[in-house]
Amino acid sequence: NAGVMQNPRHLVRRRGQEARLRCSPMKGHSHVYWYRQLPEEGLKFMVYLQKENIIDESGMPKERFSAEFPKEGPSILRIQQVVRGDSAAYFCASLSSRQGVKDTQYFGPGTRLTVL
Amino acid sequence: AQTVTQSQPEMSVQEAETVTLSCTYDTSESDYYLFWYKQPPSRQMILVIRQEAYKQQNATENRFSVNFQKAAKSFSLKISDSQLGDAAMYFCAYMGASGTYKYIFGTGTRLKVLA
Repeated sequence: NAGVMQNPRHLVRRRGQEARLRCSPMKGHSHVYWYRQLPEEGLKFMVYLQKENIIDESGMPKERFSAEFPKEGPSILRIQQVVRGDSAAYFCASLSSRQGVKDTQYFGPGTRLTVL
Repeated sequence: AQTVTQSQPEMSVQEAETVTLSCTYDTSESDYYLFWYKQPPSRQMILVIRQEAYKQQNATENRFSVNFQKAAKSFSLKISDSQLGDAAMYFCAYMGASGTYKYIFGTGTRLKVLA
């Protein structure tokens, strides 16, 4: 059973470009979470999605950031017009859909975004 | 809102010795989970140990154990027989047992292991 997959692992963008980060959850998991880790800081919750629905986006900046989890395919975190302050590691985690086993999120390896 | 506090930015331990990392949290929920994650330089988040709040017994995983004090809202991690490979950032995390199940992380403790 493959774990949570994220790609790319490293992404370099120039200021003003768009960044697209992808996350494929574990098999059988339909809950996806995105977290951001700024340099020398802990992980901060950004958004929680289920298939075709955003459940909680309270941690996501109101502008330039968006997320989706379509019926088919991976979850996408999109950052438009990137700025240097967006440089961070972005982690995706998934949670089981089965009631009674919602007790641990499984993390992907992260995408390190560098904005030049 | 829930909060997680790690008051030790950095800790050092001699190889083969024991070290305890502190974590306190605040919540009004009665049922929740607490976690310790290890983050080595590779940045991968590695689950070290998990504690269910409804269980009074402290969780143990080999050399890692926790001291869970629910009334005091304290959740410390003890690492016994420290090894060089234990050197990493350690994050304490909280997850409610209902609702959105999102994690709330502490700011982390950097553990150095001295040979």
